[in-house]
This record gives sequence, structure tokens and C-alpha cells, in this order.
Amino acid sequence: AQSVTQPDIHITVSEGASLELRCNYSYGATPYLFWYVQSPGQGLQLLLKYFSGDTLVQGIKGFEAEFKRSQSSFNLRKPSVHWSDAAEYFCAVGAGDDKIIFGKGTRLHILP
Amino acid sequence: DTAVSQTPKYLVTQMGNDKSIKCEQNLGHDTMYWYKQDSKKFLKIMFSYNNKELIINETVPNRFSPKSPDKAHLNLHINSLELGDSAVYFCASSQARGLGYTFGSGTRLTVV
Repeated sequence: AQSVTQPDIHITVSEGASLELRCNYSYGATPYLFWYVQSPGQGLQLLLKYFSGDTLVQGIKGFEAEFKRSQSSFNLRKPSVHWSDAAEYFCAVGAGDDKIIFGKGTRLHILP
Repeated sequence: DTAVSQTPKYLVTQMGNDKSIKCEQNLGHDTMYWYKQDSKKFLKIMFSYNNKELIINETVPNRFSPKSPDKAHLNLHINSLELGDSAVYFCASSQARGLGYTFGSGTRLTVV
């Protein structure tokens, strides 16, 4: 069965520092992989997605993610965070029956 | 012009009542979904419809009944509401599996 693990429930970084949010997936075939962001009281917004091609994917808001098949990982990165990046981040894998399975999320806190 | 709109945004009701949540998308997508987000932010798929046809029906109590009058609308009716139904319900749509979902802003249901 497909699954997604986000090992960090909370991450705190200082404004201007770099960020990496971890994501590991379990899926038998080539996965569709996604990162979504949820600001407080809001819906989820797609940051970026991967299915095939270049394993380094660029997204919106200056985010990028790298697919590493050997490690079953799809970590999200940003070189310099802004206070407005404080939110909940969800990694997700597209399953064979057209549904997306979400990880439990990582809450990002930004220190001024 | 909201792509995926849900109404109402907030819903407070007593146990045992019946309520509906409406969802409409103006993106021309073929597939629509309902997800439930619990108090720990965990997102779990409930249903999906493709062009008015039920595709995914996860292990959801049969008190929950989705209805899709056309491919732009997917409503969720809940009978005999229970305290455990309190959550945020998200509607989403997609055109193809690899493209990800577009989410609505959610309906916060509180059962008292």
C-alpha cells in the first residue's frame, strides 16, 4: 500500500536561513509526488509536483524538491525562508486509483 | 473568481442533525474529491467522482452520502451528525492524476 512519512512534526528556522523538509514515500511503481502548503485557516495550495524527467523540481514561492528513487525521498528545500513561509507543509503521493495519499504534515515555524 | 468554492465556510450544529456541504468548481475538471482533515491536520480521502460517477468510496460511515448532479458539483450530505464528525472538510478537483488537486478553502464543521 502507498504511504507517506514526514518524520518531522515541527521545524523551526530563523528568517533568512535555509530550509529542508523531509519526505519518504512507499509506492511500488513510479510515483506521482507532490508538496502542498496550508496556511492557517486556508485550503491547500500546490507548491510543486513530480512524475518524471528532471529529478530536481522547481515550484512556486522559491521552493524546490529533489526526487531520489534510491532513498524513496522527495525532500522540499528553500534557500532562504521568509516569515510568510510559516505554515503546514504536506508531502503526498499519487496512488494507482487516482487518489492522493497525504503525509501527516510538518509545521514550519519562523523565528524573526 | 474562485476555482473551487465550498459553502458554508463554517457550520455549527447539534448532534443528530442532518447537514449538507456544497462544492462547485469552474475549472472544467473531470474529477472531484472530498477529504476530511481531523484536529491533528491529518488528511484522509473520503470520496471521488469522475464525471458524476463514484470512483473512490473509502471506509466512510454510510451516514455520509456524496451527490454529484453534474461534473462541476459535488455535494456532501451527512445524516445523524456525531461529535466525531467535527473536522474540516475539503473539496478538491483535478483534471489528471499527475497534475495534482486544486482545493477549496474548506468547511469547518463543529458538532455540539
